[in-house]
Amino acid sequence: AQSVTQPDIHITVSEGASLELRCNYSYGATPYLFWYVQSPGQGLQLLLKYFSGDTLVQGIKGFEAEFKRSQSSFNLRKPSVHWSDAAEYFCAVSKAAGNKLTFGGGTRVLVKP
Amino acid sequence: GAVVSQHPSWVICKSGTSVKIECRSLDFQATTMFWYRQFPKQSLMLMATSNEGSKATYEQGVEKDKFLINHASLTLSTLTVTSAHPEDSSFYICSARPGTANYEQYFGPGTRLTVT
Repeated sequence: AQSVTQPDIHITVSEGASLELRCNYSYGATPYLFWYVQSPGQGLQLLLKYFSGDTLVQGIKGFEAEFKRSQSSFNLRKPSVHWSDAAEYFCAVSKAAGNKLTFGGGTRVLVKP
Repeated sequence: GAVVSQHPSWVICKSGTSVKIECRSLDFQATTMFWYRQFPKQSLMLMATSNEGSKATYEQGVEKDKFLINHASLTLSTLTVTSAHPEDSSFYICSARPGTANYEQYFGPGTRLTVT
């Protein structure tokens, strides 16, 4: 069975500083990997996805993620955080692009002014 | 494009009553919809997968007689929580997938259910 671990429950970062959110997955075959952001009162928004090809994936809002098969990781990064990036971030894995998703526990990001 | 709505956005019901939550794809046809449940400060857990015109597939541990899912059209799926109890209080989120495989799924804003 597939599983996703996000080791950090909370992360506090100063505005303008860089951000990295960790995600480790467990899946026997080539995974389809996703990062979503959830803001209060809003649905989950897809930041980026990895299916194949270039292991460094660019997403919306200045986010990027790197797939490392050897480490079973798909960490999310942003060079300079804005106050509006404060939200809950979820890493997810599925067997195929439109299949059911298995989510990690989420990481709540707080941004200090 | 690719907008999914849910109605209601929040609902309070009394223990023992039933409540229906609607999930609609507004600008695309969704052959598959997923229903997730999210407890406070926790992750999303898949409850069931529904395909238009067929019975839903429930995840292990989810009571299909308690959480009735109907996917009667390509733009609407409903989740009915029957005989609701306080432990059913949660945030219910649906997602919809257009077409067949290799399409991403789009999420609704969620429905907050409180059972008193």
